[in-house]
Amino acid sequence: KAGVTQTPRYLIKTRGQQVTLSCSPISGHRSVSWYQQTPGQGLQFLFEYFSETQRNKGNFPGRFSGRQFSNSRSEMNVSTLELGDSALYLCASSLVGGADQPQHFGDGTRLSIL
Amino acid sequence: GNSVTQMEGPVTLSEEAFLTINCTYTATGYPSLFWYVQYPGEGLQLLLKATKADDKGSNKGFEATYRKETTSFHLEKGSVQVSDSAVYFCALIQGAQKLVFGQGTRLTINP
Repeated sequence: KAGVTQTPRYLIKTRGQQVTLSCSPISGHRSVSWYQQTPGQGLQFLFEYFSETQRNKGNFPGRFSGRQFSNSRSEMNVSTLELGDSALYLCASSLVGGADQPQHFGDGTRLSIL
Repeated sequence: GNSVTQMEGPVTLSEEAFLTINCTYTATGYPSLFWYVQYPGEGLQLLLKATKADDKGSNKGFEATYRKETTSFHLEKGSVQVSDSAVYFCALIQGAQKLVFGQGTRLTINP
């Protein structure tokens, strides 16, 4: 069974640009969550999608947005990039999303802002 | 709000040593608890989980017991190997699908 697939693995952008990251969950998983990992702040929750609807949201500015498609694939968009957006962005999926269901992570997209 | 606190790293041990990484949490009610491991250049892999008090999660020789009375979920392994070198994250989830992570503990095992 294929795991969670994130593309691209690496991305370099400049300040002010926008970027779109993609996540394909494990087949049959309908909940997709996004996390930002930085050395200073650690792992922080961005948002979670289920059945094409954003179900939960973390404390990030509106420049961070996402969506989920009918096949459960998800995209995350960051507009007007800032230097502080440099991070590893991780996507995780689970069946329907419940407290007892573990989330399975992809290898992440490493975003560098110049 | 919910939070997780892990012991400060880095931790360096010799092969075959006993490992303990402390983790305590703050939450109302009964969260589910997890340990994740991150190898260099990779995402997080679920190591083990426990969903209710007194549950013991175990995998690959690692164990952790959900202790409600001490709000703890310490990770232990009786004999570590070089291949266990990684960063370990304790995490909880309660209600909404939002994992709350500890700051991570970097573990290095020397041969």
